[in-house]
Amino acid sequence: AQTVTQSQPEMSVQEAETVTLSCTYDTSESNYYLFWYKQPPSRQMILVIRQEAYKQQNATENRFSVNFQKAAKSFSLKISDSQLGDTAMYFCASLSNFGNEKLTFGTGTRLTIIP
Amino acid sequence: DAMVIQNPRYQVTQFGKPVTLSCSQTLNHNVMYWYQQKSSQAPKLLFHYYDKDFNNEADTPDNFQSRRPNTSFCFLDIRSPGLGDAAMYLCATNRAGEETQYFGPGTRLLVL
Repeated sequence: AQTVTQSQPEMSVQEAETVTLSCTYDTSESNYYLFWYKQPPSRQMILVIRQEAYKQQNATENRFSVNFQKAAKSFSLKISDSQLGDTAMYFCASLSNFGNEKLTFGTGTRLTIIP
Repeated sequence: DAMVIQNPRYQVTQFGKPVTLSCSQTLNHNVMYWYQQKSSQAPKLLFHYYDKDFNNEADTPDNFQSRRPNTSFCFLDIRSPGLGDAAMYLCATNRAGEETQYFGPGTRLLVL
């Protein structure tokens, strides 16, 4: 069984600052994917970034990057130059057991960007 | 644009009155999922279809049923909604073997 833990229920940061959201996971699989999904208020959930476990290089998508520490089972999300539109609920999720692709979500971090 | 569409976006029903939520997708993905998300919680998987094969989660109440008449459409039927079923219901899709799920905007269900 997989578990995903997000220990920060809420965070806030000033606009233009950098913020890091934490996520730890547990899985017995050797091959898996990790994701960060963003869910803005009253809007749909969208994929922010994903990481393949067998790739050592940290994934980057514009202002969003991850710090993937496989041995520590840690997968944090860094948002640089934060913008008001980054205000959202952020969910960390894992996926393994290919052929039965079920996501395991963390409980989420509510991020507020302060003008 | 290819996308996942959910209708209606907001649904109000009465306690015990059956309700159907719909999801359609233009992505031609063969896997479709229904999640229940209560306020400030993570989405909880109810069931998913792999093509026409239905996969129910062990803890999904019998009150929840689903239909998938074709690749593009999937329905969530709640036979006798209770107050505890008030939630956001999310539909998601992916192509089998590909890891990223694409979510619809959700239907917010209110039970009076």
